[in-house]
This record gives sequence, C-alpha cells and structure tokens, in this order.
Amino acid sequence: AQKITQTQPGMFVQEKEAVTLDCTYDTSDQSYGLFWYKQPSSGEMIFLIYQGSYDEQNATEGRYSLNFQKARKSANLVISASQLGDSAMYFCAMREGEAGRRALTFGSGTRLQVQP
Amino acid sequence: DGGITQSPKYLFRKEGQNVTLSCEQNLNHDAMYWYRQDPGQGLRLIYYSQIVNDFQKGDIAEGYSVSREKKESFPLTVTSAQKNPTAFYLCASSLGQGEDTQYFGPGTRLTVL
Repeated sequence: AQKITQTQPGMFVQEKEAVTLDCTYDTSDQSYGLFWYKQPSSGEMIFLIYQGSYDEQNATEGRYSLNFQKARKSANLVISASQLGDSAMYFCAMREGEAGRRALTFGSGTRLQVQP
Repeated sequence: DGGITQSPKYLFRKEGQNVTLSCEQNLNHDAMYWYRQDPGQGLRLIYYSQIVNDFQKGDIAEGYSVSREKKESFPLTVTSAQKNPTAFYLCASSLGQGEDTQYFGPGTRLTVL
C-alpha cells in the first residue's frame, strides 16, 4: 500500500486565491512527522512546513498552513494568497518512528500552476 | 553561509563506467541521505547515514555505493551494475533527532549515453 498518496497530479489556481493540496498517509506508528516540500523547475527541494503527530495545533508558516486531520490520516497543505512564484511541484512526505531509519517517504507530487 | 552543495550539476556517463556524485554539508548535521528522482515521480531513498562511518541501504540501493568518512561528506558512487542510472539525484542532511527536518542540495542530473 502507498504510504503517502497525493491524488491531484495537477492543480490550477488564480493569483491571490487560496489553494489546498491533498495528502493522505498510512502508518501504524504513533510517532511520525509530516512534511511538505516545494520543488521549482530548478530541481531543488525547498522545505515549507512540518507537522508532528503529537502536535495538537495545525502548523503554520507564513502563507502556508497544514490542515492536519489525524483520524482521517490527512495532512493537506493550504497556500493562501497564491503568487506566480508558487508555481512548482509540491511533495508531501512522512518520517515514521522515533529512532532507527529517519529517512522520508515521499508522495508522487502535485504540480501547481498559478495563473495571473 | 550554511548549506548543502552537490557537484557536478550535470554529469554524463558512458555505459559501463562508475561515477561518483559529491555531497558536502556545513550545517553540522549528523544524518545524510541520498535520494533518486525519476521524471514525474517522487523521491526514493538510496542510502542514508546517521553517523560517521555508518550507513544503511534504502529502498533502491542495488547498483550504488556510499562512504561516510567525514561528517561533512557523503559521496555516492553509481556503479556499472545500476541498470538504469539516468535520473536526478538529491542529497539531504538533518540533525538526526527531534523534528529532524531534511534540507536538500541542488541536485545532480546524471545522464547515461
């Protein structure tokens, strides 16, 4: 089974509007972390936001917020007031467990295009 | 300026050759990682290292090798045994504890001719 599922291969949004990128995850661990990264056409992965499984409040970082619904195992990224520079691929990722392997498992990504 | 550097940015290899991709970090991070990205896909883990002189295979380690002789450096060798090495390779590092956010280098695009 897929550990991270991003069901939207591509999304369009008008400049200055808000957009939600979906992410669902699958884990049996009680302790895990969820991350969102942005990948512009240059290829570098840029860290956006983190949500820990024990965090009770949704994470926010500037125009980015994470809508964390633990019971539904979803961790959707909300970008408010979209800008042209937000056009990129967006990846959801998960780190499971407290110790041992701390690498990330990535979803297949969502390509966001912001239109003027 | 703290960060992660990867070199070269573009690399061309003939079939049957081994090539080594460089990854250096000055963030004082304990953990380092190598991922592979194929067109239109997410990242897959090749190898990771949580401490100097120790490393572990990831999900797609066959045909690759690594070393971790220094905290700052985690080079990846793509050997001739790797059947389909053309891809984008990304190196990352993290503290190795706590929130443990991974920060990535700019990547190396490898093409086999």
